[in-house]
Amino acid sequence: DGGITQSPKYLFRKEGQNVTLSCEQNLNHDAMYWYRQDPGQGLRLIYYSQIVNDFQKGDIAEGYSVSREKKESFPLTVTSAQKNPTAFYLCASRRGLAGLYEQYFGPGTRLTVT
Amino acid sequence: GESVGLHLPTLSVQEGDNSIINCAYSNSASDYFIWYKQESGKGPQFIIDIRSNMDKRQGQRVTVLLNKTVKHLSLQIAATQPGDSAVYFCAENNNQGGKLIFGQGTELSVKP
Repeated sequence: DGGITQSPKYLFRKEGQNVTLSCEQNLNHDAMYWYRQDPGQGLRLIYYSQIVNDFQKGDIAEGYSVSREKKESFPLTVTSAQKNPTAFYLCASRRGLAGLYEQYFGPGTRLTVT
Repeated sequence: GESVGLHLPTLSVQEGDNSIINCAYSNSASDYFIWYKQESGKGPQFIIDIRSNMDKRQGQRVTVLLNKTVKHLSLQIAATQPGDSAVYFCAENNNQGGKLIFGQGTELSVKP
């Protein structure tokens, strides 16, 4: 069953703690993305990666970090430096950065920081 | 900068009616467009796409129209059903860094 998995679905953390969100894909896609979505809002790009061991900042990278050690995995760490981390986080993948390809999304992780 | 925007943030229709969701884009170099549906608490799902060398594409109950002259994209849903209630996003591939540019989204509400 091909697709993108994100875990966990719901995550709760205390303020000041780092937290890592998991994203795995078995679509053999080169490009992977992380978005943040706030209630009633659109998608804002946090980080994206075209190939293993390479990634670029998106529009709102401050307070976040990523790694791409394997093609199928692109974990996102929400650090204590992120001032307003409570949000819905979406991971996506695409066959490549260039080209007329759709982007596939995971089911999302809802992070609540108190 | 380039942007993809929607004319209406909310749309309410009667079950069985046709729905039209609009999207404006600003980059004439964009070559590919996608419509996504996002149900509450879930990730966006692909609905239909269209390349810039086309002006219309049809799927099952959905049609996407592209008007490059006025940089306008629309999604038409025929015989709208309660299960169509969701937020709909358009996305634009403008060949800048491999990123899709997403619109803000339109919430479609279907009244039974």
